[in-house]
Amino acid sequence: EVYLLESGGGLVQPGGSLRLTCATFRITFTNHAMSWVRQAPGKGLEWVAAISGDGADTYYADSVRGRFTISRDSSKHTLHLQMDSLRPEDSALYHCVYPGSGSYPAPFDLWGQGTLVSVSS
Amino acid sequence: DIVLTQTPGTLSLSPGETATLSCRASEWVSICLAWYQVKFGQPPRLLIHAITKRLAGVPDRFSGSGSGTDFTLTISRLEPEDFAVYYCQQCHTAPLTFGGGTKVEIK
Repeated sequence: EVYLLESGGGLVQPGGSLRLTCATFRITFTNHAMSWVRQAPGKGLEWVAAISGDGADTYYADSVRGRFTISRDSSKHTLHLQMDSLRPEDSALYHCVYPGSGSYPAPFDLWGQGTLVSVSS
Repeated sequence: DIVLTQTPGTLSLSPGETATLSCRASEWVSICLAWYQVKFGQPPRLLIHAITKRLAGVPDRFSGSGSGTDFTLTISRLEPEDFAVYYCQQCHTAPLTFGGGTKVEIK
């Protein structure tokens, strides 16, 4: 069975940092772009960041550019999201997502259950 | 950025009826338009990509149509498990964007 498993969420104060990790299982990780998508409570879906299959190119939503960094570990088949200077409006369920086509931008065939990030004092 | 506007915000229907969901893009998106279903407590599920192509396992009562900037998701003969929130997504131009969603609720 193929699946994605996120971890690293939690409660953090404004201005703080968190590092999210996505462990991947039985997907074609190598040469496949990956993304993070978030959903704030009661709100819609928002794409956050993407990374190319070789890790050379990264893409960010305007709302997080300069504060978040997406990266990948090819040896461990994991995806990461380093989140710095967190704001209350970053509070959301963060999903690791995988496009079957392997490219960005593209539809996301596979979603993790998500990890919850809460930014509050 | 390409803005996707979904209407209506909420659709109140009874099982067995047909749901018609609209998604309008602020710019041409070619064929790169997808639809997702989101149920409470579950991650989104990709239903349709490339406007009309259903993923394996998606019932044929779900159908996508449209072109250019105007797209429709039709759910025929609504089943109880179809009541959920639906999002459209464009992947023609970065950044990838989603619509605001349409909630299909039981009347």
